[in-house]
Amino acid sequence: GGIITQTPKFLIGQEGQKLTLKCQQNFNHDTMYWYRQDSGKGLRLIYYSITENDLQKGDLSEGYDASREKKSSFSLTVTSAQKNEMAVFLCASSISNEQFFGPGTRLTVL
Amino acid sequence: GDSVTQTEGLVTLTEGLPVMLNCTYQTIYSNPFLFWYVQHLNESPRLLLKSFTDNKRTEHQGFHATLHKSSSSFHLQKSSAQLSDSALYYCALPNSNNRIFFGDGTQLVVKP
Repeated sequence: GGIITQTPKFLIGQEGQKLTLKCQQNFNHDTMYWYRQDSGKGLRLIYYSITENDLQKGDLSEGYDASREKKSSFSLTVTSAQKNEMAVFLCASSISNEQFFGPGTRLTVL
Repeated sequence: GDSVTQTEGLVTLTEGLPVMLNCTYQTIYSNPFLFWYVQHLNESPRLLLKSFTDNKRTEHQGFHATLHKSSSSFHLQKSSAQLSDSALYYCALPNSNNRIFFGDGTQLVVKP
């Protein structure tokens, strides 16, 4: 088995701040994903990466940057946090199209 | 382009009644894979079941679904709902570029 870890678990930021979320997986999966989930709503794809140093934009990439410097890690940067923003950011990796999700990072912007 | 439609945002039913959550999809790929994921409150989504074969029923944890290419559907069913089935359910369709298209999700609420 394997595991996906996301850090931090909770992230509180200020309006306009640049914030970075990290994700690590030890499944040795090639493809990794970042999703945003607003309260009670569905999953929206921000970025995904098919392999190390690859980046593919999702539907919600504006306002975010991503980086995949190693196969095992995938980071996401909120370039300028929006006031009163609250959401959960989920990282996932996949093998044979089956997705495995991390526990999430809960973002609150004051 | 590829897409998944889940028509019900919220399904509320009484314990013991049958469950059916709708999922239809659109893709140009002739052999699609379809997945159902379940997300319980304060947890992350996890795979519930998957199907690669047309007209073949797949089952897991009391739920079942059959991929019907003729109608582009992959509805999730269970014969008798339990309180613990209350969760958010997503239907998902991967494409050839490793991107996964999720439906908007259906919130299932099972009441005593």
